[in-house]
Amino acid sequence: DAGITQSPRHKVTETGTPVTLRCHQTENHRYMYWYRQDPGHGLRLIHYSYGVKDTDKGEVSDGYSVSRSKTEDFLLTLESATSSQTSVYFCAISDPQAGVNEQFFGPGTRLTVL
Amino acid sequence: AQKITQTQPGMFVQEKEAVTLDCTYDTSDQSYGLFWYKQPSSGEMIFLIYQGSYDEQNATEGRYSLNFQKARKSANLVISASQLGDSAMYFCAMRGMIYNQGGKLIFGQGTELSVKP
Repeated sequence: DAGITQSPRHKVTETGTPVTLRCHQTENHRYMYWYRQDPGHGLRLIHYSYGVKDTDKGEVSDGYSVSRSKTEDFLLTLESATSSQTSVYFCAISDPQAGVNEQFFGPGTRLTVL
Repeated sequence: AQKITQTQPGMFVQEKEAVTLDCTYDTSDQSYGLFWYKQPSSGEMIFLIYQGSYDEQNATEGRYSLNFQKARKSANLVISASQLGDSAMYFCAMRGMIYNQGGKLIFGQGTELSVKP
């Protein structure tokens, strides 16, 4: 199994508070992604990174920011959490330019915003 | 725009029988990849199989095979000899070019498979 961990695995927070989710990989893959999974929408891309300090927006990026200061860590921040951000968040890694076509997913973080 | 369609919201299969999960896709990219993932009730996303658009042979991984019909834009997953542990949600996904948002995956809505003893 690809070495990807996410922390925390579960979090309950209140509207308006900042939240940071962490994704950590041990595979040295270049690309890292944050997706959210919601009923009726499947998985949708929030942000992705193609290298240290290189990030870009996905299709549902409003209200989220990311940072990648090291190859192995990709942080997702909700600056001011809203109830619409209650979801399951998945991190994924890949390196297609190095021949790793698959995207491997972390275990997910279940976030509840009250 | 890229799109994945899974038309079977739920399916049942008898243990030890084979089952086919349908997936059709739409893309204007010449180079793309097709994936299947399994999501059990515990919630993790488990990678099953990958097919590149230029691969001439259908991909196989153990009991999983991907029936790739490029002209029909279909990428059906075949599970042979179903086991009770195969009961899960199955997602078909497509990856376009890297310049398209880092090669993000576009997912279908999923098919929930239930294996009966």
